[in-house]
Amino acid sequence: EAGVAQSPRYKIIEKRQSVAFWCNPISGHATLYWYQQILGQGPKLLIQFQNNGVVDDSQLPKDRFSAERLKGVDSTLKIQPAKLEDSAVYLCASSLDTGARGGETQYFGPGTRLLVL
Amino acid sequence: GNSVTQMEGPVTLSEEAFLTINCTYTATGYPSLFWYVQYPGEGLQLLLKATKADDKGSNKGFEATYRKETTSFHLEKGSVQVSDSAVYFCALRRNTGGFKTIFGAGTRLFVKA
Repeated sequence: EAGVAQSPRYKIIEKRQSVAFWCNPISGHATLYWYQQILGQGPKLLIQFQNNGVVDDSQLPKDRFSAERLKGVDSTLKIQPAKLEDSAVYLCASSLDTGARGGETQYFGPGTRLLVL
Repeated sequence: GNSVTQMEGPVTLSEEAFLTINCTYTATGYPSLFWYVQYPGEGLQLLLKATKADDKGSNKGFEATYRKETTSFHLEKGSVQVSDSAVYFCALRRNTGGFKTIFGAGTRLFVKA
């Protein structure tokens, strides 16, 4: 079974530029997550989708970050304009369903490493 | 609010030593608890999980028991190998109100031959 795909793997931009990341989840997974992982810290949830709808975006800096999941499959995360503190690894994950207690297993992609200069 | 606290690393052990990585949590309700591992150059992957009090998760020789009375989920392994060198993340998932997962800061483990 193919895993979660992300692109690009690395990106270097200057502050105030914009950047977009792409994620293709595991086929059939209803839930998709975007995390930000700053060096030395654990992943922080930015946004969680179930199918097309947003379940949680409480920690997404909405003045500069946006995300969409068209047709309930692929997703893009955009930063516009980027700041120095956005330098991090952006992780995409997917899972079958959020609804059932059962310790939902998330499957992570390799991440996109962003450096903002 | 909900949070996860892990022991700070790095943890350095010799091969075949006993490993404990402490994890405590604060949560409303009854979360599910996880350990994820990130090997060098790889993405995060689930190591083990437990969904209710007194459950024990186990995988690859690692174990952790969901202790509600002490709000803990400590990771243990009886005999570590060099290949266990990685960063270990404790996490909780709320089972109400959006099912958000919260990760600890991670603990880096080095195992020497």
